[in-house]
Amino acid sequence: ETVMTQSPATLSVSPGERATLSCRASQSVNSNLAWYQQKPGQAPRLLIYGASTRATGIPARFSGSGSGTEFTLTISRLQSEDFALYYCQQYNDWWTFGQGTKVEIK
Amino acid sequence: EVQLLESGGGLVQPGGSLRLSCAASGFTFSNYAMSWVRQAPGKGLKWVSSIGGRGGDRYYADSVKGRFTISGDNSKNTLYLQMNSLRVEDTAVYYCAKHYSSSPNNWFDPWGQGTLVTVSS
Repeated sequence: ETVMTQSPATLSVSPGERATLSCRASQSVNSNLAWYQQKPGQAPRLLIYGASTRATGIPARFSGSGSGTEFTLTISRLQSEDFALYYCQQYNDWWTFGQGTKVEIK
Repeated sequence: EVQLLESGGGLVQPGGSLRLSCAASGFTFSNYAMSWVRQAPGKGLKWVSSIGGRGGDRYYADSVKGRFTISGDNSKNTLYLQMNSLRVEDTAVYYCAKHYSSSPNNWFDPWGQGTLVTVSS
């Protein structure tokens, strides 16, 4: 099983600042990686697939990068609606998720 | 607009059974792979099971293999998850999700709103 590890567990950021979230795979997943946002009481929402392609309707302030085992989700100029939980997920070898990074207001 | 609506959750005793449904609309259901993903209270996301479109293969997490069965009814545009021999650790919100193609080897988008399954005596 490919284990996905996200860091940090919690990220404290001020509105308007940049947030950088990391995701590491225990073995190469090529570019078969997605990012999701989840707010309390809501279902996850797809942000990024193919490691760097924004899903339909996702603002340009969200960007993804990386390949192989190291991936990054960057949120430039955080807005109030961006404070949430973020999960990475690989679909190269079955389907596994990271444990999540909570982005909270500093 | 693609919509997924789960139902069938509830309280069940350990060892009991439950069938979850996911009513799909806004796309040709038979052409797409579908999956179930669960989230235990306060925990992260865990993949449970997937089924390929067009009569494709079925896949199960080791934790549910032999107990859960995924299926789809193309005439009703509905995905199912039959859950037998339920355990306390199966307690979670269960989400259904659509895949990008008939193969499930890609991302989940969109997700339904989820249905809560509670296994407790």
